[in-house]
Amino acid sequence: EVQLQESGPGLVKPSQSLSLTCSVTGYSITSNYWGWIRKFPGNKMEWIGHISYSGSTSYNPSLKSRISITRDTSKNQFFLQLNSVTTEDTATYYCARRYYGYTYFDYWGQGVMVTVSS
Amino acid sequence: DVVMTQTPVSLPVSLGGQASISCRSSQSLVHSNGNTYLHWYLQKPGQSPQLLIYRVSNRFSGVPDRFSGSGSGTDFTLKISRVEPEDLGDYYCLQSTHFPYTFGAGTKLELK
Repeated sequence: EVQLQESGPGLVKPSQSLSLTCSVTGYSITSNYWGWIRKFPGNKMEWIGHISYSGSTSYNPSLKSRISITRDTSKNQFFLQLNSVTTEDTATYYCARRYYGYTYFDYWGQGVMVTVSS
Repeated sequence: DVVMTQTPVSLPVSLGGQASISCRSSQSLVHSNGNTYLHWYLQKPGQSPQLLIYRVSNRFSGVPDRFSGSGSGTDFTLKISRVEPEDLGDYYCLQSTHFPYTFGAGTKLELK
């Protein structure tokens, strides 16, 4: 069974960087696509970006200057780094598998709530 | 960006009744390959989103046939018949035809 688990700090100070890890079990990240999505207080959802089976990335242009998605295939993990955070980056962050050409996200982590506050 | 206008914001229903949620996109979701990448999710309280319908009308594995999706171009609908308690929560549409992918604002299905 495919399982994803996010981990990372729950509190980040403004102007600092947010770093999250998604650990995947039951499936290799060298297949399919692996993405990050966030849900803001108030329930708006936003696609952040994803990394492909080959390591290529796609990012939301609204965040492109601040984000980086990378991976460690030896650990079957992928990562999100979001730089220069503000209070507007406060959200629950989810990692998810994007299924090949169908482009839907089928398996999701349970989410990690990140608060940006001094 | 493609704007997904999802209505209603809140939808009170009775158990056993029917619910209908609309999602309209600011541009056609038909991809150049002919496919339409419009999907529906349910997020129950305290859980992560779960895929219900993919590519407009295909039920994901394990999804009851009470859920059905329809539509084309810019206008899409999710219908839930014979609503059960486990159907309550927040519903979202997602388009993944165009980058960046965008979600509807959500519809809260709640008991009347």
